[in-house]
Amino acid sequence: RKEVEQDPGPFNVPEGATVAFNCTYSNSASQSFFWYRQDCRKEPKLLMSVYSSGNEDGRFTAQLNRASQYISLLIRDSKLSDSATYLCVAGFDSWGKLQFGAGTQVVVTP
Amino acid sequence: EAQVTQNPRYLITVTGKKLTVTCSQNMNHEYMSWYRQDPGLGLRQIYYSMNVEVTDKGDVPEGYKVSRKEKRNFPLILESPSPNQTSLYFCASSATGGQPHLAKNIQYFGAGTRLSVL
Repeated sequence: RKEVEQDPGPFNVPEGATVAFNCTYSNSASQSFFWYRQDCRKEPKLLMSVYSSGNEDGRFTAQLNRASQYISLLIRDSKLSDSATYLCVAGFDSWGKLQFGAGTQVVVTP
Repeated sequence: EAQVTQNPRYLITVTGKKLTVTCSQNMNHEYMSWYRQDPGLGLRQIYYSMNVEVTDKGDVPEGYKVSRKEKRNFPLILESPSPNQTSLYFCASSATGGQPHLAKNIQYFGAGTRLSVL
């Protein structure tokens, strides 16, 4: 079983719509969580960290549910430029390992 | 410009021929890491380094070696490459300020190295 699991998608989203997807993690010792964005096999880039209280960055909102061990990402008012693969990441405070999910593909259509 | 530089970007080689993929960062980051990315599996960590002369295994270290003799460089060595090491490889770095738990902070990735082992 993978440590971090994501629905691979694709999520086909009309421009301007809202899309949301989750990521589940199996290791309850995970302390920190992130969403990275990856365009077409280019390098991943940090989209946002995920805080316990939930956080928002412009059109993006991330939530953490420790009881059910999942994090979510919501994208409002989707733009064509939001088309990408979104990688969920879980990290541990005491050591340098990071666990990446396989990614959720989002395709925003005109 | 702050960056992580990997070389080569593309490499085709044959089974058993030793190769090295270089990684260099100019941000004075303590933490560096190597990942491989395969379809359906996502990024898997190969090795990571908390600082000079400090390296540790990630999830898939078999068949790979690393060294961290200088802070800026973290080469990945395949002593005897095999076809199952055909993959897309990423190097990454982050700042920890000497605190290991900050290794999870913003990871800056190199542009990737596409390796094919025939």
